[in-house]
Amino acid sequence: DGGITQSPKYLFRKEGQNVTLSCEQNLNHDAMYWYRQDPGQGLRLIYYSQIVNDFQKGDIAEGYSVSREKKESFPLTVTSAQKNPTAFYLCASSLAAGVNEQFFGPGTRLTVL
Amino acid sequence: AQSVSQHNHHVILSEAASLELGCNYSYGGTVNLFWYVQYPGQHLQLLLKYFSGDPLVKGIKGFEAEFIKSKFSFNLRKPSVQWSDTAEYFCAVNARAAGNKLTFGGGTRVLVKP
Repeated sequence: DGGITQSPKYLFRKEGQNVTLSCEQNLNHDAMYWYRQDPGQGLRLIYYSQIVNDFQKGDIAEGYSVSREKKESFPLTVTSAQKNPTAFYLCASSLAAGVNEQFFGPGTRLTVL
Repeated sequence: AQSVSQHNHHVILSEAASLELGCNYSYGGTVNLFWYVQYPGQHLQLLLKYFSGDPLVKGIKGFEAEFIKSKFSFNLRKPSVQWSDTAEYFCAVNARAAGNKLTFGGGTRVLVKP
């Protein structure tokens, strides 16, 4: 069953703690993305990676970090520096960066208490 | 700032009514256009896309969209909606002018009453 998995579905953390969200894909896609979804604001790009061991900042990268050590994995760390971390986080992948259709995971809802 | 705008945040309509959701973007040059849908509790999935050619694009589940270059628009339409079309709809634009990143509109929540 090919696709993108994100875990966990719901995550609760105390303020001041770093938290890592996982994203795995078995589609053999080169490019992976992290978005943040807030009501009325659509999806905003946090970080993206066009290929293993390479990643670039998106539009709202402050307070987040990523790594891309393996093609199938692109974990996102929400650090304590992120001022408003409570949100729904979506991971996506595409065959290559740029024009290709992106496929999305089910998302992780992070609540910081 | 360059952006993607969806003018309706919420739409409520009855079954069998026609649906049109507006999407405008501000990027010049070459663009690729997408409509994604997020049904309650499900993944975001692609409804349709436009890369080139016929500006009237047919998608899944009876949806279509028309690219009007002069108006920088890519409106989504469905002639007769069903209760199962209740979802949030997102327009997205990939523009060379924006570094080939996908930029999303704010989304439109559509509620179809049975």
